[in-house]
Amino acid sequence: AQSVTQLGSHVSVSEGALVLLRCNYSSSVPPYLFWYVQYPNQGLQLLLKYTSAATLVKGINGFEAEFKKSETSFHLTKPSAHMSDAAEYFCAVSDLSGTYKYIFGTGTRLKV
Amino acid sequence: GAVVSQHPSWVICKSGTSVKIECRSLDFQATTMFWYRQFPKQSLMLMATSNEGSKATYEQGVEKDKFLINHASLTLSTLTVTSAHPEDSSFYICSAPDSVLVGEQYFGPGTRLTVT
Repeated sequence: AQSVTQLGSHVSVSEGALVLLRCNYSSSVPPYLFWYVQYPNQGLQLLLKYTSAATLVKGINGFEAEFKKSETSFHLTKPSAHMSDAAEYFCAVSDLSGTYKYIFGTGTRLKV
Repeated sequence: GAVVSQHPSWVICKSGTSVKIECRSLDFQATTMFWYRQFPKQSLMLMATSNEGSKATYEQGVEKDKFLINHASLTLSTLTVTSAHPEDSSFYICSAPDSVLVGEQYFGPGTRLTVT
């Protein structure tokens, strides 16, 4: 069964510092992977996605993530944090068995 | 991009009553929709898969009789919380998969349910 692990439920960085949010997946085949951001009392906004094309994926708001099959990782980074980046971030893997259900990680709260 | 709406955005109801939450795909058709539940400061938990024209598929541990799902049309799915209790208070989010981009989903803004 697929699973997603996000290391670090809380990450705190200074404004202008590098942001690194970790995500590891468990899957027998390379899945589709997603990063979403959620602001308080709001739905999810897609930051970026990996769908078996380029391993380095660039998203919105300056975020990017690199798919590393050997490490089963899909870490999210941003070179310089901004106050507006403070939010909850979720990594998700898509079930490609036909149902396309998402399995979410536990989330990482970013404080800037 | 595709838009998914939810109504209401928040609702307060008394214990023992039922409340219905609507999820609509505004500019695309969705034969499948997903319903998630999110407790404060926690992740999203998939509750069920809503299928147009057939019964919903519930995840293990989710009470079918308590959380009634109806997928009445290609653009509307509803979640009815029956005989609500305070422990049902949560943030409910729906999503619909893209019909072309395999694996991608569009999420609604969520509905905050408070049961008093």
